[in-house]
Amino acid sequence: DAGVTQSPTHLIKTRGQQVTLRCSPKSGHDTVSWYQQALGQGPQFIFQYYEEEERQRGNFPDRFSGHQFPNYSSELNVNALLLGDSALYLCASSLEGTARGYSYNEQFFGPGTRLTVL
Amino acid sequence: AQRVTQPEKLLSVFKGAPVELKCNYSYSGSPELFWYVQYSRQRLQLLLRHISRESIKGFTADLNKGETSFHLKKPFAQEEDSAMYYCALYNFNKFYFGSGTKLNVKP
Repeated sequence: DAGVTQSPTHLIKTRGQQVTLRCSPKSGHDTVSWYQQALGQGPQFIFQYYEEEERQRGNFPDRFSGHQFPNYSSELNVNALLLGDSALYLCASSLEGTARGYSYNEQFFGPGTRLTVL
Repeated sequence: AQRVTQPEKLLSVFKGAPVELKCNYSYSGSPELFWYVQYSRQRLQLLLRHISRESIKGFTADLNKGETSFHLKKPFAQEEDSAMYYCALYNFNKFYFGSGTKLNVKP
């Protein structure tokens, strides 16, 4: 199992363009979360997908949208790119359900996609 | 609003010295708190969670609700502990991460 995979590794776009990032979850996982990590900052939660629906969303504008496919893979789309969208975008997968009574299930992170907006 | 604060961007200690990475949070309910670690050229990974009350790689973290803190401690730092450490709070399927502390353990 390669774990969580993301593509592409790096991406350069110009302002106003649109971008799509892809994520394949760890084998057996059904939940995908996306994060934006700006330089020198911690990851910021964008949204989470479960059963092909956006289940939870962070404080990001509607320019950020996503999709989850029946095979649990996911895409993150960003429209009308701004310079401030330059960041590392992380995908994390987990398995829904409680484990030993915890509401949290461990998230496994991918290597990230480095997006540069010029 | 939920917030996680890690006041130190960089912490340098010598091998064998005790280390404490600070984390403070703001949350009105009963938080679920975690420490994540990222070693050089590796992915972000879970180090430990407060609910399990376990020690991982010699690290422990105690939740102090009165002080709203979840500091990460290790009595004797090793060079291989050098990494980026993030404190995180989990609530309703959302994670809130701190800005991270880079731990540098010198030989």
